[in-house]
Amino acid sequence: TQLLEQSPQFLSIQEGENLTVYCNSSSVFSSLQWYRQEPGEGPVLLVTVVTGGEVKKLKRLTFQFGDARKDSSLHITAAQPGDTGLYLCAGVRGGVTNAGKSTFGDGTTLTVKP
Amino acid sequence: GAVVSQHPSWVICKSGTSVKIECRSLDFQATTMFWYRQFPKQSLMLMATSNEGSKATYEQGVEKDKFLINHASLTLSTLTVTSAHPEDSSFYICSATPGGQKTGELFFGEGSRLTVL
Repeated sequence: TQLLEQSPQFLSIQEGENLTVYCNSSSVFSSLQWYRQEPGEGPVLLVTVVTGGEVKKLKRLTFQFGDARKDSSLHITAAQPGDTGLYLCAGVRGGVTNAGKSTFGDGTTLTVKP
Repeated sequence: GAVVSQHPSWVICKSGTSVKIECRSLDFQATTMFWYRQFPKQSLMLMATSNEGSKATYEQGVEKDKFLINHASLTLSTLTVTSAHPEDSSFYICSATPGGQKTGELFFGEGSRLTVL
């Protein structure tokens, strides 16, 4: 079973629309990251959330960590073609055996049409 | 920010040959690096954890003798695909975290596109 369920898997929208990507789990994470990846490149870190209920904003992007630290969401306002890419959530579980090891969601391929 | 560099960016090789991919942390030391494989429009699949000065830890289903990992210094890990076959063609990515960082943030290399003919 997938530890981190990310949805939707594919999303195609028009420029100016809003969207939300979800990352859900039954496990508790000590921290969760969101990354964005463009074709042919490595993922780039967007944000880290560590506190339950935390909300972080990065320009038009709003990230939220669930109160129980089991889920997270990424909301993009007024999407632009430059937002096109693969968005990945990744969680880090506590404990020595999980130290430094991230679990990745399935990814959301976002296409923003001009 | 932390910078990780991968080389080569792309490589084409003949079936049966071996290919080495390098992953370097340019401005920090990394006792641990991770190697992933990625298929088009899919997420990252962790292959192995590279540990400086010791053996790599491989994920279930990843052949140790096929994908050789060496982490000889605090800034360099290498992945060698031995006796490559067309099914090994993929996008390989490495990541590293600066020592002491506890939030799990990963810094990725640019990726290496391997095509086996």
